[in-house]
Amino acid sequence: AQKVTQAQTEISVVEKEDVTLDCVYETRDTTYYLFWYKQPPSGELVFLIRRNSFDEQNEISGRYSWNFQKSTSSFNFTITASQVVDSAVYFCALSFSYNQGGKLIFGQGTELSVKP
Amino acid sequence: KAGVTQTPRYLIKTRGQQVTLSCSPISGHRSVSWYQQTPGQGLQFLFEYFSETQRNKGNFPGRFSGRQFSNSRSEMNVSTLELGDSALYLCASSLGQTLLNTEAFFGQGTRLTVV
Repeated sequence: AQKVTQAQTEISVVEKEDVTLDCVYETRDTTYYLFWYKQPPSGELVFLIRRNSFDEQNEISGRYSWNFQKSTSSFNFTITASQVVDSAVYFCALSFSYNQGGKLIFGQGTELSVKP
Repeated sequence: KAGVTQTPRYLIKTRGQQVTLSCSPISGHRSVSWYQQTPGQGLQFLFEYFSETQRNKGNFPGRFSGRQFSNSRSEMNVSTLELGDSALYLCASSLGQTLLNTEAFFGQGTRLTVV
């Protein structure tokens, strides 16, 4: 079965702190894609990153970085020097095999609150 | 460039009624997917369409249906509404054939409340 687990329901940090959001996934497919989305209070899901199962390179984009480790089935997301504007719900998601198309399996989300 | 547009933004319906939600994808995007978001179940996949064809369907009862038009706009319909259908319904579009290997853009959603 395909599953995504985000064990942290809520995280609260003070501005400028670093914070890591955990994501653990389960799949028996060898080809799959992992995603992170941000959902601000306005409701839309904002795409942050997509990573395929054959690319374990970590990625950095500004204050955001992602650590993909197939050995532990994890795809963690770190925000460095957090800012109040980072406050949102963050979702990790999994999609598998081309024929399944756009079916994303989402984790339950982690609500991040960054206080000034 | 306009984003994904969902209408209406908010909707209140009575149990037993039916409702139609609309999604206009980004110009040029031909793949559209729908998701239901509730506090209890989280984000769940409803449908995926490409070129007017339903490619995938999630595990929802037959009361949930959808379609895609030749201009890529999509509608979803829920008949015989139940209280549990109250949710945020999100639509996503992408340039590629699926959301799998291309960036997906989501709309702001339609907040449906069933009373």
